[in-house]
Amino acid sequence: DAKTTQPTSMDCAEGRAANLPCNHSTISGNEYVYWYRQIHSQGPQYIIHGLKNNETNEMASLIITEDRKSSTLILPHATLRDTAVYYCIEVRASYDKVIFGPGTSLSVIP
Amino acid sequence: GAVVSQHPSWVICKSGTSVKIECRSLDFQATTMFWYRQFPKQSLMLMATSNEGSKATYEQGVEKDKFLINHASLTLSTLTVTSAHPEDSSFYICSAPTGDLSYEQYFGPGTRLTVT
Repeated sequence: DAKTTQPTSMDCAEGRAANLPCNHSTISGNEYVYWYRQIHSQGPQYIIHGLKNNETNEMASLIITEDRKSSTLILPHATLRDTAVYYCIEVRASYDKVIFGPGTSLSVIP
Repeated sequence: GAVVSQHPSWVICKSGTSVKIECRSLDFQATTMFWYRQFPKQSLMLMATSNEGSKATYEQGVEKDKFLINHASLTLSTLTVTSAHPEDSSFYICSAPTGDLSYEQYFGPGTRLTVT
């Protein structure tokens, strides 16, 4: 079973920042936090990952709490194309199988 | 970036027939690939881990004789749904880790199987 918990759904106004929380209270010291998203009827797409430090790339920012028990994915300026299901996952290694939870269904509203 | 392709993108077959789905890593070698199944409005469910040159590892509750997996080369894994039934209709997705330090996995676009 997935070890992370996320809100079932969220809405965000277009152009505003979307903040998606994730709880991973049992994460191990050697496990990374990964975020993927799945747009309807497509394969999941990698967004970002982190271990301890906050991370930023061209798609999003990842804020990880100091105790590593939770994190927040930030889409700084959400667009309609960001409407998708977002999955927060703990991953130990590159060849580790990825177990998906239900994720958060984000709807970006015009 | 790394790309994973699947073929076919969709397939319709009759009950009792078998269907083969291909998963290819286009610009990297993948000794391991993963197969998922996704029903409407549900999350992805891991079915099995495909290992190049050895037997696949199936998740609990997945029938290995029904879902045959072959990982014959470093760039190709196939999933064959044998004696398909309407309840096997689903979205099948494969993924492959690139093996580099990013620990990313790249997912294929998925194959929509409809069994009539």
